[in-house]
Amino acid sequence: AQSVTQLDSHVSVSEGTPVLLRCNYSSSYSPSLFWYVQHPNKGLQLLLKYTSAATLVKGINGFEAEFKKSETSFHLTKPSAHMSDAAEYFCVVINMEYGNKLVFGAGTILRVKS
Amino acid sequence: GAVVSQHPSWVICKSGTSVKIECRSLDFQATTMFWYRQFPKQSLMLMATSNEGSKATYEQGVEKDKFLINHASLTLSTLTVTSAHPEDSSFYICSASDLYNEQFFGPGTRLTVL
Repeated sequence: AQSVTQLDSHVSVSEGTPVLLRCNYSSSYSPSLFWYVQHPNKGLQLLLKYTSAATLVKGINGFEAEFKKSETSFHLTKPSAHMSDAAEYFCVVINMEYGNKLVFGAGTILRVKS
Repeated sequence: GAVVSQHPSWVICKSGTSVKIECRSLDFQATTMFWYRQFPKQSLMLMATSNEGSKATYEQGVEKDKFLINHASLTLSTLTVTSAHPEDSSFYICSASDLYNEQFFGPGTRLTVL
């Protein structure tokens, strides 16, 4: 079965510094992986997705993620954090064994200090 | 991008009453809709998958008689929480899947049961 592990429950960075949110996956198949962002009391917004094309995926708001099969990782990065990036981020994999259901990581709360 | 709406965005009800939450795909037809529950400071947990015109498929541990799901059309699914109790208080999020199996999320409904 597919699963994802987000290695940090909280990450705190200063505005203007790089962001790294870590995600490792487990999958029997070639996975489809996603990063979603959720602002307080809001729904989820798709940041980017990997579906076996280019391993470096660029998303919205300056975020990108690199699929590394050898490390089973799909870390999310951004060169320079902005105050508006403060939110919760979810790494997600599709469970292809069970009707393409999304399997969510536990989430990482990103705090951006001014 | 595709838009999914939820109504209401928040609801407060008394214990023992029933609450209906609507999920609509506004600009596409959704053959499949998903209902998730998110407790405070936790990740999203899939409750059920519904396909238009057929019975919903519930995840293990989710009471189908308590969480009634109706998917009457390609643009509307409803979740009714019957005889709600305080432990049902949560953030309920729906998503709708298009022809390419990408899921688009609604903004969520905050349910508080007194």
